[in-house]
Parts: sequence; C-alpha cells; structure tokens
Amino acid sequence: QLHLQESGPGLVKPSETLSLTCTVSGGSITGNTYYWGCVRQPPGKGLEWIGSFSHSGSTYYNPSLKSRVSISGDTTKNQFSLKLSSVTAADTAVYYCARLSRLDSGRVWFDTWGQGTLVTVSS
Amino acid sequence: SYVLTQTPSVSVAPGQTARINCGGNNIGSKSVHWYQQKPGQAPVLVVYDDSARPSGIPERFSASNSGNTATLTISRVEAGDEADYYCQVWDSSSDQHVVFGGGTQLTAL
Repeated sequence: QLHLQESGPGLVKPSETLSLTCTVSGGSITGNTYYWGCVRQPPGKGLEWIGSFSHSGSTYYNPSLKSRVSISGDTTKNQFSLKLSSVTAADTAVYYCARLSRLDSGRVWFDTWGQGTLVTVSS
Repeated sequence: SYVLTQTPSVSVAPGQTARINCGGNNIGSKSVHWYQQKPGQAPVLVVYDDSARPSGIPERFSASNSGNTATLTISRVEAGDEADYYCQVWDSSSDQHVVFGGGTQLTAL
C-alpha cells in the first residue's frame, strides 16, 4: 500500500526557505501514470495547491507561488522535495504531500495523501 | 483562472440525504473529484472522475456533473460523515492547473 510521509522543520524564520521532504513507500515516483505534488492548508482555511511534477519532466506550479517554489524528485531515495523561499507568516500552514493519478490531460486527481505536517513561520 | 464555488455549510438530519454543490463555468465539460476531510486529518478521495468511487468508499457516496454544477450526494447521512468536503478539477487550459473549491462543512444535526 502506498504511503507518503512528510518531514522537515516545524518552525521557519521569516525570509528564510521552507524545505519539506516527502518520502514515498509502497510505490515508485518513476513511471508516467502519476504526478507527485504538494498541497497546503492554512489554519482554519481551505486547500491550496502548491505544485506538481512527473518523472517525465513535467512540472506545474501555482502561479501565485511560482516565483518562490520548487518541487523536484530524487529517484535514488524515492523522495521528492518542496522548497519555498522568502517565507512570511502567510505561509504558515499544514503541508501535505500527495500522489496524483492521471488518466489524460484533463483528468487528474489526488488519490493518496500524506498525513501532513504543520510548518509555522515565526521569528 | 478557473474558479470553483461551494456553499460554506450544509446541515442535514442523520438518515437524510445531503447534497453538496460545486459551481463552475461549464464545469460539466471537466472531470470533477471530491475529497472528505475530517478535523485534524488529511483529505481522503471519495469520488473521482465525476462519479467513480475508490475502493472502500461506501455506495452512499455518489456524484454527478452537468452544466455549471457538480454535486456530491451522501445518502443516509451518518454522524461519521461530518467533515469538510472539497471539489477539485485539473484545468489544463490555464497556469492554475489544480483548482480546489472553497470547501463545504457538512453537519449532521
């Protein structure tokens, strides 16, 4: 059974870079049927997509975060990583890793989620 | 970018049917997916590709999509169905590829 586990600092200082690692077990991040990505949820608010990538090289980012975000995979460790630079208090949220199933260009959904990790931005 | 609109809250009595709507411009031309999120937990996929159910999701959960509205229907609502429900589409025509609705909080009165 597929399992995703987020790891990273729970506290990040303003203006610094948030780094999150997603470790995948029970499946491989290679292969073209799936995308892998990150979603965040500020306290008490809804879901916000951050970005997604595929092993074939396709990468998509939320336009509102694009200038600050990078998501990449490490096939040797079966992990992928999120980096979000120049963080502010507005980036405080629970960050989720997820796998996306893809049937075709318009049919993509999140089929498996990690448990999420709270990242607080504060000095 | 594409916008999905959900009613913030829906309340139904246990045993009754809950309908949660997700509005979007010509959403019927898109593939809609639904997630259930209970407090303190990660979202769980309950419907994908308009009306398909993942294994393990009860048949009480069904969905449809037509025109400008997609609907998640929960029959015979139970106390355990209380959660936030989010709709989602993949919009390949814009840079905002993944779009979530704002979420609907379901309360079983």
